[in-house]
Amino acid sequence: EIVLTQSPVSLSMSPGERATLSCRASQSINNNLAWYQQKPGQAPRLLIYGASSRATGFPARFSGSGSGTEFTLTISSLQSEDFAIYYCQQYNNWPQTFGQGTKLEIK
Amino acid sequence: QVQLVESGGGVVQPGGSLRLSCAASGFTFSSHAMHWVRQAPGKGLEWVAVISFGGTYKHYADSVKGRFSISRDNSKNTVDVEMSSLRIEDTGVYYCARVNVAGVGAEYFDYWGQGTLVTVSS
Repeated sequence: EIVLTQSPVSLSMSPGERATLSCRASQSINNNLAWYQQKPGQAPRLLIYGASSRATGFPARFSGSGSGTEFTLTISSLQSEDFAIYYCQQYNNWPQTFGQGTKLEIK
Repeated sequence: QVQLVESGGGVVQPGGSLRLSCAASGFTFSSHAMHWVRQAPGKGLEWVAVISFGGTYKHYADSVKGRFSISRDNSKNTVDVEMSSLRIEDTGVYYCARVNVAGVGAEYFDYWGQGTLVTVSS
């Protein structure tokens, strides 16, 4: 089973700042990585798939990059609605697995 | 628009059983594999089970294998999970989730329901 390690576990930032979240896989997963955004009391919502393709409804300030074992989610200029928990998920190998999440908090 | 609505959650004693259901609308249900994913209180996401578009193929996480059973009714656009021999560690919110493929291979989840809470407690 592939293990995904997200860092940092939590991140305290101010609106307008640039946020960089990382996800590392225990072995190569090519570009078969997704990111999800989850706000309190809500279901996760697909944000990025294929490591860099943005899902419908998310603005261009969200971008994903990486391949192999190292992946990054970047939010170029944080807005108040972006503060949430972000999870990565690999779907290269069975079973699909999730990272433990990064909590993005307002400073 | 795609909608997934779960129901059936509640409080159950350890060793008990519960059946969750997910009603789908807004897409051709019979063309998509469907999954259940759970989240323990304050914890991350854990994949639970998948069923192929026609219901022939089913797979389970090791943590629930032999205790949970996934099924679907394409005439009613529903996917269920029957949970038995429930343990305290099965407590959490259970989400049904759609993938944009018909088969049971690993995939990303493009739509999620709002979830239903299962509490296993004595």
